[in-house]
Amino acid sequence: EDQVTQSPEALRLQEGESSSLNCSYTVSGLRGLFWYRQDPGKGPEFLFTLYSAGEEKEKERLKATLTKKESFLHITAPKPEDSATYLCAVQASGGATNKLIFGTGTLLAVQP
Amino acid sequence: NAGVTQTPKFRILKIGQSMTLQCTQDMNHNYMYWYRQDPGMGLKLIYYSVGAGITDKGEVPNGYNVSRSTTEDFPLRLELAAPSQTSVYFCASSYWGLNTEAFFGQGTRLTVV
Repeated sequence: EDQVTQSPEALRLQEGESSSLNCSYTVSGLRGLFWYRQDPGKGPEFLFTLYSAGEEKEKERLKATLTKKESFLHITAPKPEDSATYLCAVQASGGATNKLIFGTGTLLAVQP
Repeated sequence: NAGVTQTPKFRILKIGQSMTLQCTQDMNHNYMYWYRQDPGMGLKLIYYSVGAGITDKGEVPNGYNVSRSTTEDFPLRLELAAPSQTSVYFCASSYWGLNTEAFFGQGTRLTVV
């Protein structure tokens, strides 16, 4: 069964303390892996799409990487405004291609 | 551009009542989606549309209906509301195709009592 697991569920960092969020997946062929940011009471906001193992993308303090089994979202020198829930989602190439499987997210809190 | 606009933001329904969640986008996107988000669960796709007049079921369509008469609007209809439909509902749209970069609305928090 296709599955997406994010860890940790919650992460508390001090401002400037770099860390990584994990998204592991089990799908029958990967069409794409997506990272979204969600602020409380808001809809998800698109961050990155990764399509193949070895691919990396960066945006400000965020860097997303992809292997054949997992993706990491690296946060370098985070600031309090990076506090949010980070969602990972995958689209499988086999079966129902209209299906986007979301993880349950990692709640990140960055303290000043 | 306003992006994706959802109304209402909050609603309380009694069991058995019906309502329509409104969604409109001003980005001329062909693809539109409805998701629900429950605590501790990932977003689940309810229905989606690839263009005006074309809709299809997602992962959890039971108890819902949709229509797409224009490119801009994609309303979600709840008939005979049940407590299991208590959730936060998100409408989204995308330009390039199914499940590429999507733009989400602010959500509708629905409680069925």
